[in-house]
Amino acid sequence: NAGVTQTPKFQVLKTGQSMTLQCAQDMNHEYMSWYRQDPGMGLRLIHYSVGAGITDQGEVPNGYNVSRSTTEDFPLRLLSAAPSQTSVYFCASSPGREVSTDTQYFGPGTRLTVL
Amino acid sequence: GENVEQHPSTLSVQEGDSAVIKCTYSDSASNYFPWYKQELGKRPQLIIDIRSNVGEKKDQRIAVTLNKTAKHFSLHITETQPEDSAVYFCAASKVDYKLSFGAGTTVTVRA
Repeated sequence: NAGVTQTPKFQVLKTGQSMTLQCAQDMNHEYMSWYRQDPGMGLRLIHYSVGAGITDQGEVPNGYNVSRSTTEDFPLRLLSAAPSQTSVYFCASSPGREVSTDTQYFGPGTRLTVL
Repeated sequence: GENVEQHPSTLSVQEGDSAVIKCTYSDSASNYFPWYKQELGKRPQLIIDIRSNVGEKKDQRIAVTLNKTAKHFSLHITETQPEDSAVYFCAASKVDYKLSFGAGTTVTVRA
């Protein structure tokens, strides 16, 4: 198993550009989430999904969109990049309620810089 | 929403000594409390977790304690080693997919 994978690893954008951060997992996990990590602030939840076709907002959803058309993939779209979105983005997955574990498995992260 | 506070923000310990990190949470309905370790440039990795129906859990040199009444939980690392140097995050949630994280503690183990 590759676990949780993310692409790209690094990205530089100009203000106003759009892009999609990719996340995939091959563990058949039901739950997937996106977090951003900023210095001194821990990780903050952007959006999450409890299954294909179901998404909801987390703590800091503004400026981001998500969709979950398959169990495996959970892309994060930046609609119009702003310097405040400069951050490290982590995708995570966990098995879901049918399995007796709440462990979240994190991807390797995408370091995004918006100029 | 849930608010998790973590202290201290930095911790320096001599190799072989113990390290303690404390977190408080605001939502009394939270029932799951994981701890993550993150090395520089790497992803967070779960090191131990505890549920609200348990007061203490140990795994070798790592232990977590939970006080539901006071709404705080702590991570204890005994016999610290240089490889324990990292940033540690506590988190709390009512359901597993909505973790609220503390701001992190940078632990440095001095040889």
